Amino acid sequence: NAGVMQNPRHLVRRRGQEARLRCSPMKGHSHVYWYRQLPEEGLKFMVYLQKENIIDESGMPKERFSAEFPKEGPSILRIQQVVRGDSAAYFCASSPPGTGGNEQYFGPGTRLTVT
Amino acid sequence: AQSVTQPDIHITVSEGASLELRCNYSYGATPYLFWYVQSPGQGLQLLLKYFSGDTLVQGIKGFEAEFKRSQSSFNLRKPSVHWSDAAEYFCAVGARDNYGQNFVFGPGTRLSVLP
Repeated sequence: NAGVMQNPRHLVRRRGQEARLRCSPMKGHSHVYWYRQLPEEGLKFMVYLQKENIIDESGMPKERFSAEFPKEGPSILRIQQVVRGDSAAYFCASSPPGTGGNEQYFGPGTRLTVT
Repeated sequence: AQSVTQPDIHITVSEGASLELRCNYSYGATPYLFWYVQSPGQGLQLLLKYFSGDTLVQGIKGFEAEFKRSQSSFNLRKPSVHWSDAAEYFCAVGARDNYGQNFVFGPGTRLSVLP
């Protein structure tokens, strides 16, 4: 059973461009979480999704950020008009149904650099 | 809301020495507690978790942690550190229906190991 997959692993964008980060959960996992890790800090929750539903996006900035988890395909975290402050590592985690989110398996992360 | 503190930003130990990483949490109900390890450029790997029962929990890679309710602590220990243990360690606290912002990470402790 492959682990959580994220791509790309590294992404460089100029200010004002769009960044698309992808996350494929582990097989059988229907819950996806996105976290952001700024340098020298722990992970901060951004959004929690189930298939075709955003359950909790309270940690996501109101503007420029969006997330989706379609019926088919990976979950996407989209950042429009990126700014330098968006430079961070973005981690995706997935969990199986029925565990209340207490078994989160993390992907390797996407490191976004905004120049 | 939960919160987690890890008082030590950076710890250096010699290979073969014992290790204790501190974690203190704040949560009104019975917490679910976790320790994750992050190697450079990698995602997070779950070392161990505590939900209930025996307050001393064993994890992978020879790690253990002890839940002390009276001290609101969940310190991570290893009797003999190996050079490969050099990494960032994160304590996290969750809740029964753990998702989203209910899953809170500490700022991390960076462990360096001297040969």
